[in-house]
Amino acid sequence: AQSVTQLDSQVPVFEEAPVELRCNYSSSVSVYLFWYVQYPNQGLQLLLKYLSGSTLVESINGFEAEFNKSQTSFHLRKPSVHISDTAEYFCAVSDRRLNAGGTSYGKLTFGQGTILTVHP
Amino acid sequence: EAGVAQSPRYKIIEKRQSVAFWCNPISGHATLYWYQQILGQGPKLLIQFQNNGVVDDSQLPKDRFSAERLKGVDSTLKIQPAKLEDSAVYLCASSLAGGRNEQFFGPGTRLTVL
Repeated sequence: AQSVTQLDSQVPVFEEAPVELRCNYSSSVSVYLFWYVQYPNQGLQLLLKYLSGSTLVESINGFEAEFNKSQTSFHLRKPSVHISDTAEYFCAVSDRRLNAGGTSYGKLTFGQGTILTVHP
Repeated sequence: EAGVAQSPRYKIIEKRQSVAFWCNPISGHATLYWYQQILGQGPKLLIQFQNNGVVDDSQLPKDRFSAERLKGVDSTLKIQPAKLEDSAVYLCASSLAGGRNEQFFGPGTRLTVL
């Protein structure tokens, strides 16, 4: 079984300030890690993911997240936020199960979400 | 490329009534998911299909919820009979496969049970 805890339900910040959204997970097996984002009046979409290799992963719009295995964390950071970053952010984990054909089929478990509000 | 389509977008019913939701995934995506998202919570997986077979339905309340995926493409999720606590947004998503693969989400169906 796996679980995800997002430590802050709401994070208000001013424009151009740095931000960190915290995520901790629990799992008895190795996992893949994801951040999904939901902008106002839009569907959920992938922001970034960690599969293997470098523990620091980046998105195209300046967010980054670092996989810390010892602390079982995958915190999301941005050095300078914009008004357009206002959204709800979800951390998620998936196990690394493979079927007989080698296809990944693990299920995704989401955290409860963090609402990031960027003020002018 | 067309995204994941869902209908209806909104539904209001009374408790003990039945309701059905429809999902059309992205063409070529073998894996289809139904999630329930209650206000203030993250999405919770109800059922995961790989083609037309069920991979995981451990969190599906099988006494009232059912789902099928016709010919490995479209899917329907049914609730019969509905309870007040079923009020939520029901999200459909699809991906090439599970696990490491990006999931693409539909707009969701907001269900209100009165």
